[in-house]
Amino acid sequence: NAGVTQTPKFQVLKTGQSMTLQCAQDMNHEYMSWYRQDPGMGLRLIHYSVGAGITDQGEVPNGYNVSRSTTEDFPLRLLSAAPSQTSVYFCASTEMGFQGGLNTEAFFGQGTRLTVV
Amino acid sequence: GQQVMQIPQYQHVQEGEDFTTYCNSSTTLSNIQWYKQRPGGHPVFLIQLVKSGEVKKQKRLTFQFGEAKKNSSLHITATQTTDVGTYFCAGLAYSGAGSYQLTFGKGTKLSVIP
Repeated sequence: NAGVTQTPKFQVLKTGQSMTLQCAQDMNHEYMSWYRQDPGMGLRLIHYSVGAGITDQGEVPNGYNVSRSTTEDFPLRLLSAAPSQTSVYFCASTEMGFQGGLNTEAFFGQGTRLTVV
Repeated sequence: GQQVMQIPQYQHVQEGEDFTTYCNSSTTLSNIQWYKQRPGGHPVFLIQLVKSGEVKKQKRLTFQFGEAKKNSSLHITATQTTDVGTYFCAGLAYSGAGSYQLTFGKGTKLSVIP
């Protein structure tokens, strides 16, 4: 049981390049989300998904795309990287069982440290 | 949109002193969660509070959820060097169309001086 796996752990991009940050979970969680963490800014929600085929925007979605074709995977795409996207990115998954006995603990991946030069 | 404010941003304490961080939401929450992040690590879940006025304890940590379900606090008694890290509160609120958002505060970075 690996939990939430993010790849890569580190990445350096040039401005304008594209890349995909991978996130996979093996806990059969419906709810998955992407956050970015910048010094003094806490964790800001980029995009989230409540299940396969359903995604929605969070607080800072511009410059990022997501898709959710399976329950397990939730990749984050940067179409044209900018220096402002230099950050640490965390993927999280949550059981989000709302039928009584809410259990909304978020399990985080190890993070991807992205630098855009 | 939903906002979660957390204070203080930094706290330096002598080992053995107490520590408190406060969290306030702009909207009524379904629940509030607390996470700890060690330097270089990822956030790790500590606890979840659901009921109005709820108080929970984990050893030296005491968590409270306000009566209006909009504010919360984390209190650590007699801090130890192992308590070092950043503590985040996170509020879960309904965002429409059967969906929820978990919004994090900016965190309180705790330093403990031995």
